[in-house]
Amino acid sequence: SQQGEEDPQALSIQEGENATMNCSYKTSINNLQWYRQNSGRGLVHLILIRSNEREKHSGRLRVTLDTSKKSSSLLITASRAADTASYFCATDPYSNYQLIWGAGTKLIIKP
Amino acid sequence: EAQVTQNPRYLITVTGKKLTVTCSQNMNHEYMSWYRQDPGLGLRQIYYSMNVEVTDKGDVPEGYKVSRKEKRNFPLILESPSPNQTSLYFCASSSPNTDTQYFGPGTRLTVL
Repeated sequence: SQQGEEDPQALSIQEGENATMNCSYKTSINNLQWYRQNSGRGLVHLILIRSNEREKHSGRLRVTLDTSKKSSSLLITASRAADTASYFCATDPYSNYQLIWGAGTKLIIKP
Repeated sequence: EAQVTQNPRYLITVTGKKLTVTCSQNMNHEYMSWYRQDPGLGLRQIYYSMNVEVTDKGDVPEGYKVSRKEKRNFPLILESPSPNQTSLYFCASSSPNTDTQYFGPGTRLTVL
C-alpha cells in the first residue's frame, strides 16, 4: 500500500535549536497525524491536523499542511534532550481506522 | 489509567512453535489493530478489527491470525512462526469519537 515519506531520515541538532521534519503523502486525506516514538517503545500521539486546516499549534509543536503539495511539516521549537525520539506521520486515505505510516525521522538532540 | 497492554513484552521462540501475543485495552474502544515495525519500513498494519467479531486484513496479514471475541481483547496468533516474522509488534486502539490511536508498549519477537 502507499506510504508517507518523511525527510530527513535522521536529524541531529543542538539543544535549543528548532527541528523541522517533513512528510509527503500520495493520496487525498481526511487528517494527518504526527506521533513520537521513544526508542523501542509505543507511539504517542502528538497532534492531528485536518485536511481543511493549514496550521496548528500545540505547545512547542507547530504543524503545517499543504494539501496541494500533499505535504506536512512538524516544527519543534527550542528543542530539549527529551525530544530525542523518532517522529512519524500517519495519514488516513481510507478511514481513520486504517492509517498509512511513514518510515519516520530520527531526531537526536545534542546537549 | 487508560492504557493498552501487551504480553509478553519480549519473546524468543523457534520456527514452527505456535504463539499468541495478547492485547487488551481498558478504554472501551471499538477499533483495535496490530502493526509490525521493521527498520526502515515504518509501521505496517497486520490486521484490524472494527468491533467484536469483525476483523479484516491489513497490509501484511500472511502468517498471522487474530480474533475479537471481547471488546477489550485482540490477540495476535502466529500458528507457525518463521524467522521473517522477527519484528517489533504493536497493538493499538481507538474509537469513532477520536482519530487518535493509543498504542501498547510493544512486543519484541525473535524467531530462531
